[in-house]
Amino acid sequence: AQSVTQLDSHVSVSEGTPVLLRCNYSSSYSPSLFWYVQHPNKGLQLLLKYTSAATLVKGINGFEAEFKKSETSFHLTKPSAHMSDAAEYFCVVSYGGSQGNLIFGKGTKLSVKP
Amino acid sequence: DAGVTQSPTHLIKTRGQQVTLRCSPKSGHDTVSWYQQALGQGPQFIFQYYEEEERQRGNFPDRFSGHQFPNYSSELNVNALLLGDSALYLCASSPQPGHKETQYFGPGTRLLVL
Repeated sequence: AQSVTQLDSHVSVSEGTPVLLRCNYSSSYSPSLFWYVQHPNKGLQLLLKYTSAATLVKGINGFEAEFKKSETSFHLTKPSAHMSDAAEYFCVVSYGGSQGNLIFGKGTKLSVKP
Repeated sequence: DAGVTQSPTHLIKTRGQQVTLRCSPKSGHDTVSWYQQALGQGPQFIFQYYEEEERQRGNFPDRFSGHQFPNYSSELNVNALLLGDSALYLCASSPQPGHKETQYFGPGTRLLVL
């Protein structure tokens, strides 16, 4: 079955330090990959997406992710964390041939310490 | 430009009852997908509607049904509610079906089954 694995359920960083949220997906011919963020009691917001163009994808709020086919990974990074980045982050995959049903990872909770 | 809207925001039902949740897609979008997010989990795909037909369905029982209207708005119906149906129900819209399309999420309806 197609799946996506977020390797850390909780990541804690200090404000101003780099953020790395890890994600691996099951291999497919042409996956589309997304990162969404969910702040408490808010809806899901798209951070960035990869759909077979450039492998390094830049998103909103300084986040970026790199698609690595050989490693089946799509890790999310940010050079310097801000307090407002504290939220739940979801790595999401949609596979070629589907109508676009999204498969979500279990989420990584990011905490940012002052 | 209004984003995806959902109603109601919160709902409390008892076991065995039936519930209807509503969703209006983002302007210009004709594809609506529904997801269930249990507490502490990532969202799970329920089904997708396009051109007033169910196009794809996730692993949910027939108690979950839906409808799409000519104005592209959609309803999710759940019959014979179980305690395990308590969750945040998210609606997402996209310009068309397809795995490369970005889905925009509404704020969700939080359902509590007692």
